[in-house]
Amino acid sequence: DQQVKQNSPSLSVQEGRISILNCDYTNSMFDYFLWYKKYPAEGPTFLISISSIKDKNEDGRFTVFLNKSAKHLSLHIVPSQPGDSAVYFCAASARIWGAQGGSEKLVFGKGTKLTVNP
Amino acid sequence: EPEVTQTPSHQVTQMGQEVILRCVPISNHLYFYWYRQILGQKVEFLVSFYNNEISEKSEIFDDQFSVERPDGSNFTLKIRSTKLEDSAMYFCASKGVTGELFFGEGSRLTVL
Repeated sequence: DQQVKQNSPSLSVQEGRISILNCDYTNSMFDYFLWYKKYPAEGPTFLISISSIKDKNEDGRFTVFLNKSAKHLSLHIVPSQPGDSAVYFCAASARIWGAQGGSEKLVFGKGTKLTVNP
Repeated sequence: EPEVTQTPSHQVTQMGQEVILRCVPISNHLYFYWYRQILGQKVEFLVSFYNNEISEKSEIFDDQFSVERPDGSNFTLKIRSTKLEDSAMYFCASKGVTGELFFGEGSRLTVL
């Protein structure tokens, strides 16, 4: 059940250029989206998030775009640096608040391995 | 910068043995999670914990699994009788008021 799909397993870009990582989702209840970066043998590191009330969120070199009608989001990294080389995971959640205070189960994509070449 | 810490970093155990994985979430966070990643597969949700009780669990989290917050700082995942297919990286995470989950570095469990 692939509710969150990252169709490109890998991406290679030159240092200084733009990296664009894509993510599609199928569950229309998702209303909060996050990007995580993961190095080998480490835990996922939070990068940037976006709520479904927005279509863009920017933080330094990282910008996330959300297209709700297409159920698509993308992460742009400009300019790309060799230290950005890692696996990038898209994650989504449906913020269903129940009696126990909320559920923040994240559904992850399979990840895209980004390589930034010097 | 505050971080989520996990111990052990790697545990090797025999099938059928009990394992406890430990986590110290970020101190002012109120929501706690366990996720796992089997080699080559997605990061999968196991369980969320809030106000000293489980708020949601996945179908993976059967009665062989349990979680506990024994002393107000630690958050543990126990697997009562490990199976070969429990071999994975187990990630603890916690969440504060901003909404993002912060993950620990993971505990690698190898079941022989």
